[in-house]
Amino acid sequence: GAVVSQHPSWVICKSGTSVKIECRSLDFQATTMFWYRQFPKQSLMLMATSNEGSKATYEQGVEKDKFLINHASLTLSTLTVTSAHPEDSSFYICSGDQGNQPQHFGDGTRLSIL
Amino acid sequence: AQKVTQAQTEISVVEKEDVTLDCVYETRDTTYYLFWYKQPPSGELVFLIRRNSFDEQNEISGRYSWNFQKSTSSFNFTITASQVVDSAVYFCALSDNDYKLSFGAGTTVTVRA
Repeated sequence: GAVVSQHPSWVICKSGTSVKIECRSLDFQATTMFWYRQFPKQSLMLMATSNEGSKATYEQGVEKDKFLINHASLTLSTLTVTSAHPEDSSFYICSGDQGNQPQHFGDGTRLSIL
Repeated sequence: AQKVTQAQTEISVVEKEDVTLDCVYETRDTTYYLFWYKQPPSGELVFLIRRNSFDEQNEISGRYSWNFQKSTSSFNFTITASQVVDSAVYFCALSDNDYKLSFGAGTTVTVRA
């Protein structure tokens, strides 16, 4: 089946640093990739939708200057949390879409900001 | 606007009991997709099923079964003869033609030996 690789799986860093998370579709071309955020014991909330070669579309309430998304190729999307603070600590998970197929999710990244 | 409601926050059962997870959805679209995902403690999302809005046939896959009823906007999920390995958070989700997923709040299932 289709595989999405997300890296890193766990990040701990100091407040104020920027963190980049990579999402790669390994055996399919993801025309669209989605980024979700999940706070402890809560549901997954869509942050943004990224299409290869164009600007990401952010959901209401998500700061585009804080969460930079780049989708430079059909197999790679990155999410950079800029100047991260403790309130950004969360579980971030990406998914890739082939169009009219169930989304394939990465294993997620646990981000802890000290 | 799309909305998915999972009214049950937590369910605890003893092994071998059946457990049914409720999911009620709202959408204005005539074409949509419904999903169930399992999220074990390790965090990854495991895809269980996708059903499109035109296919109301119930489905059975091993110990899992799904009951889709458009008349009540429900897509319920039953685990038969539950096992400890079924302990996880289960999410119901809805997407329309733009493939964005709207997730329910999730139901935590704990199966005790």
